[in-house]
Amino acid sequence: GAVVSQHPSRVICKSGTSVKIECRSLDFQATTMFWYRQFPKKSLMLMATSNEGSKATYEQGVEKDKFLINHASLTLSTLTVTSAHPEDSSFYICSAHLGLRGYTFGSGTRLTVV
Amino acid sequence: EDQVTQSPEALRLQEGESSSLNCSYTVSGLRGLFWYRQDPGKGPEFLFTLYSAGEEKEKERLKATLTKKESFLHITAPKPEDSATYLCAVQAGSNTGKLIFGQGTTLQVKP
Repeated sequence: GAVVSQHPSRVICKSGTSVKIECRSLDFQATTMFWYRQFPKKSLMLMATSNEGSKATYEQGVEKDKFLINHASLTLSTLTVTSAHPEDSSFYICSAHLGLRGYTFGSGTRLTVV
Repeated sequence: EDQVTQSPEALRLQEGESSSLNCSYTVSGLRGLFWYRQDPGKGPEFLFTLYSAGEEKEKERLKATLTKKESFLHITAPKPEDSATYLCAVQAGSNTGKLIFGQGTTLQVKP
């Protein structure tokens, strides 16, 4: 149980375009979702916390206008990378907070901006 | 400031050669310490949660322990399929569910 489905797993886009990444909770309701970015051979860096029905809370240094997070329902959170540039290329991972049961992670999205 | 440090950064073992990974933490009120396994190009896979000093948990060849300052992930007689990056993360009492991750230890087990 407590599965988060993340799509797409890989995406290549051109500079200047926008890309949307989706995370769906399949068998539970996710009140709180976290979005991480991971650079090669580095650990997970928290980008933002999203709570269903309210604005996301961004970590210091993360541009909220570039990384748009929407959590309009209890089963879906999205991250949109707007006007993507090569430096936005990275591995993005979502995670749902399960309260006392801990956390569950999506399988990640490899974004390459060319 | 809450902080998590893992060592070593990389570890190479021969199959069957037991070892331990370290996770040192400084947090204001530990709510939980988590161990995850991550394979290349995949999301983290849950291994253990530890809540209080003295707690131990085991799963197959892995055993996690916790003190007030650090946690160890002991790997007994590892196999090549144990090769992965092992991540440690803490949930502090001062924040709202956020996890603070260490840098990870990349383990390679050679046959």
